[in-house]
Amino acid sequence: ETGVTQSPTHLIKTRGQQVTLRCSSQSGHNTVSWYQQALGQGPQFIFQYYREEENGRGNFPPRFSGLQFPNYSSELNVNALELDDSALYLCASSFRTGSDGYTFGSGTRLTVV
Amino acid sequence: AQTVTQSQPEMSVQEAETVTLSCTYDTSESNYYLFWYKQPPSRQMILVIRQEAYKQQNATENRFSVNFQKAAKSFSLKISDSQLGDTAMYFCAFMKQGGGYNKLIFGAGTRLAVHP
Repeated sequence: ETGVTQSPTHLIKTRGQQVTLRCSSQSGHNTVSWYQQALGQGPQFIFQYYREEENGRGNFPPRFSGLQFPNYSSELNVNALELDDSALYLCASSFRTGSDGYTFGSGTRLTVV
Repeated sequence: AQTVTQSQPEMSVQEAETVTLSCTYDTSESNYYLFWYKQPPSRQMILVIRQEAYKQQNATENRFSVNFQKAAKSFSLKISDSQLGDTAMYFCAFMKQGGGYNKLIFGAGTRLAVHP
């Protein structure tokens, strides 16, 4: 059973640029969620995808967008990067209800300069 | 809105000793789940233990156990026989049961250091 894999592991971007982060979900999981973890804080929910549609969103602006593909993998896109977007971005997969808990990837460390 | 509070930013313990990490939460929901996650330097969040709110019995996973007090909205984690590999950030998280989607609400975390 494969876990959740994320790529790239580290990334440096310039303010105003756009970035795409990728995530492969754990085998058998059909739901993918993205979280932003700023330094020294707990993760914050960005959004969740189920059956290739966004079905829930946290308090993040529209320049944060995503996709889920038929194989349940996912992308997180962030446009017009700001310095405050610097954070660890975590992808998590689960079954539909999430009640068994999520399986997280090791994250992508994004630095915006 | 639900909130999760971890009042201990840092804790330390000697190897083989027992340590308890505190967590309180605020919600008006009656059905929900609570989790403890561990985040070592590798950054991956690892599920330590989960508790279903409707179950009165406290969850246990090997050396890890919880003290779930629903009325007090308290969910502490006890680590027995602490090991060096337990050194990590520990996050308490809440998830509402049901609804159109599910999301985890995390506390700010407790950094645990296990010393030889």
